[in-house]
Amino acid sequence: TQLLEQSPQFLSIQEGENLTVYCNSSSVFSSLQWYRQEPGEGPVLLVTVVTGGEVKKLKRLTFQFGDARKDSSLHITAAQPGDTGLYLCAGKMTTDSWGKLQFGAGTQVVVTP
Amino acid sequence: NAGVTQTPKFRILKIGQSMTLQCTQDMNHNYMYWYRQDPGMGLKLIYYSVGAGITDKGEVPNGYNVSRSTTEDFPLRLELAAPSQTSVYFCASSETRGLAGETQYFGPGTRLLVL
Repeated sequence: TQLLEQSPQFLSIQEGENLTVYCNSSSVFSSLQWYRQEPGEGPVLLVTVVTGGEVKKLKRLTFQFGDARKDSSLHITAAQPGDTGLYLCAGKMTTDSWGKLQFGAGTQVVVTP
Repeated sequence: NAGVTQTPKFRILKIGQSMTLQCTQDMNHNYMYWYRQDPGMGLKLIYYSVGAGITDKGEVPNGYNVSRSTTEDFPLRLELAAPSQTSVYFCASSETRGLAGETQYFGPGTRLLVL
């Protein structure tokens, strides 16, 4: 059972369309991160959110942390082929004193020209 | 500045064989991690280390061993390879374990196939 549930598992869209990826849990997190992973490479951190209700923007990417710090979303505006990749959310549970990262299973995004 | 490097990139093992996955970081990070990534399952923590000489089990440690004799190196040892250990293995490092969420830097991964 995944502590962090990501949806959808797979998303295929045309260039220029918008998309939203969700990361949900019944647990509370002290922080939540989004990573992007390309084939044959390790994940690369995109953003960290730490405050409930926080919204962060990174060019065409908008990240939101839920008010209760149990969920997050990633919205991409006007997607480009370079946005193709596996998007992973990862969180640190408030009940884990060490603060190890818990990863979701990922959402595979494919943007076609 | 190479970051986190892993060797080999790909390996095929027979059941029962052993091997060591190498991981080196040049960022002087105290914290290092080993994860495995299986399709549809995300990354699972195998072992982690908070500094030279200190290691601890993660979520899925069975069948693996680690050591940390230097700050830079964190090798992962498979003693008796089993088909269930077919996976992609990632090493990562971070400067701290701050609750605000520090950045973990990942290596490029080692793809292991056990037949």
